[in-house]
Amino acid sequence: AQKITQTQPGMFVQEKEAVTLDCTYDTSDPSYGLFWYKQPSSGEMIFLIYQGSYDQQNATEGRYSLNFQKARKSANLVISASQLGDSAMYFCAMREGRRDSSYKLIFGSGTRLLVRP
Amino acid sequence: DTGVSQNPRHKITKRGQNVTFRCDPISEHNRLYWYRQTLGQGPEFLTYFQNEAQLEKSRLLSDRFSAERPKGSFSTLEIQRTEQGDSAMYLCASSGNLRVMNTEAFFGQGTRLTVV
Repeated sequence: AQKITQTQPGMFVQEKEAVTLDCTYDTSDPSYGLFWYKQPSSGEMIFLIYQGSYDQQNATEGRYSLNFQKARKSANLVISASQLGDSAMYFCAMREGRRDSSYKLIFGSGTRLLVRP
Repeated sequence: DTGVSQNPRHKITKRGQNVTFRCDPISEHNRLYWYRQTLGQGPEFLTYFQNEAQLEKSRLLSDRFSAERPKGSFSTLEIQRTEQGDSAMYLCASSGNLRVMNTEAFFGQGTRLTVV
């Protein structure tokens, strides 16, 4: 069965510094996608970054980068130059890749990030 | 606004009452998902529609829950005889069909249900 594990319930980071949020996953499907979402206190889930299982390079989107280590089944999110507005819950999620699947997302339990001024 | 829209944003109901939530996905998206998120947890998949067909339901979706997507546009999620354990945020998401694997799901702001 697919599973996402986020072992850091909460993290602090100083403004302007970088922070890494951990995510490990488990799947027997060779084709899968990994996503990171941000959830501010207002509730909406905001897509940040995507990494495909066959992608050779680590994904980057502005200040977000994904440290993808396939053999270790980890997909850590790195946020560079943290801003106060980065304070939120962060969720790692996996999408299975079978052609007949629903392509639903399996989420981890999240990490609450607080950026200190 | 062209994003995913959910109504109502908040719902307080007495135990035993029925409630219905609505989701309007992004207009060109044929895939629609419902998730439930309890406090301190990540969202959990409830059900999936492709156009008007409900193709997958989670074991979390008890007989008291029913979802519809008539005409493949908006969707409704109804909970009958609500219980306190139904209190949660109910999130709707939609995605398109092109390059499915790397197409992100767009989420609505959710409906927060409180059963008293």
